Amino acid sequence: DAGVIQSPRHEVTEMGQEVTLRCKPISGHNSLFWYRQTMMRGLELLIYFNNNVPIDDSGMPEDRFSAKMPNASFSTLKIQPSEPRDSAVYFCASSGWSSYNEQFFGPGTRLTVL
Amino acid sequence: EDKVVQSPLSLVVHEGDTVTLNCSYEVTNFRSLLWYKQEKKAPTFLFMLTSSGIEKKSGRLSSILDKKELFSILNITATQTGDSAIYLCAVEASTGNTPLVFGKGTRLSVIA
Repeated sequence: DAGVIQSPRHEVTEMGQEVTLRCKPISGHNSLFWYRQTMMRGLELLIYFNNNVPIDDSGMPEDRFSAKMPNASFSTLKIQPSEPRDSAVYFCASSGWSSYNEQFFGPGTRLTVL
Repeated sequence: EDKVVQSPLSLVVHEGDTVTLNCSYEVTNFRSLLWYKQEKKAPTFLFMLTSSGIEKKSGRLSSILDKKELFSILNITATQTGDSAIYLCAVEASTGNTPLVFGKGTRLSVIA
């Protein structure tokens, strides 16, 4: 299994531009999580989906952030317009249905907004 | 609000030392506590703990949970430079497939 796949791995963009991050969860997993990691705040949950349905997006910082999961094998996190304070590493993780919650993380996307 | 606190935030030790990393938590409907290791990339799973007093062991790493005092420790014996990483503690509340609440991590540096 290829594990969780994220793209791009790195992105540098200018303030005001739209950014789209992509994630392919592990096949068969029914939950997908988007996290953001910074030195100051650590790892924070942004939003998560169960069976392609958004369950909790209370961690999404502002309306500039949006996430979709059109099918079980693909999700996007969009930032529009981007700001320098959005610079962080964004991780996608997935988990399968089980009694307990071992999440598998993708390699992350390092975003730098100038 | 659910909370996970790790200590210390950062630690530098020499190869061969033994280290203990701490994780305390406050969470409603606790189900499990997980430890992850994060080197340069994504966090990788180490242990999942659900019951008090039962030690989980993998090589030089071991971990134990105390559900009465609401904390866990991660021990690493005979540390090696390859153990240098951020160690993250996370807690799962309520039923499965819910978000994990992460601590900010302990950055461990092992020097030769």
